Amino acid sequence: QVQLQQWGAGLLKPSETLSLTCAVYGGSFSDYSWTWIRQPPGKGLEWIGEINQGLGTDYNPSLKSRVTISTHTSKSQVSLSLSSVTAADTAVYYCARRDRRSGSYNKIDHWGQGTLVTVSS
Amino acid sequence: DIQMTQSPSSLSASVGDRVTITCRASQNILSYLNWYRLSPGKAPKLLIYATSTLEGGVPSRFSGSGSGTDFSLTINGLQPEDFATYFCHQSYSSPLTFGGGTKVEIK
Repeated sequence: QVQLQQWGAGLLKPSETLSLTCAVYGGSFSDYSWTWIRQPPGKGLEWIGEINQGLGTDYNPSLKSRVTISTHTSKSQVSLSLSSVTAADTAVYYCARRDRRSGSYNKIDHWGQGTLVTVSS
Repeated sequence: DIQMTQSPSSLSASVGDRVTITCRASQNILSYLNWYRLSPGKAPKLLIYATSTLEGGVPSRFSGSGSGTDFSLTINGLQPEDFATYFCHQSYSSPLTFGGGTKVEIK
């Protein structure tokens, strides 16, 4: 059974850097892409970016200048860093697994429980 | 970017009802359309991928259809745990995008 457990600071001040980590339990870590998605209060889901061992990283152009996604493969962990945060970055942040193997249609099939990050002075 | 337009944004229904949610893509995404359920305090759950394939363990009351740009999710016989928010998602091209969500509320 695959489980994604995430953690990180929940309250930030404007201009600080958001840092979240997601640990993956179960399943192969290197066979999948690892994705970060967020949901601002009352709004829809926004894809932040992802990392894949063979394909590298891919970021949403709207956030690319501020985002870094990295992995610690030996620990089966993936991390998100978002710099220079503002109130607009207040959201629930999710880590998730994306299956890009043939026949899986690139589905996102497992999600973490989400971490609420609030940016406020 | 591929825009995903989902409707309705909310609906009211009763346990046992049949409900249908639609999703339209701004360009052809073949069958790369997935549906998720978001419940408060829980991890989002994949219900259907590739337009109509039920993810393992998902009840058969959920079904999906469509192709190209127009898709739908149908729930036959709403259960209490189905009162939640549903999102469609295109996994055809980057950046990945989602519909605006449909909140299914108890009538």
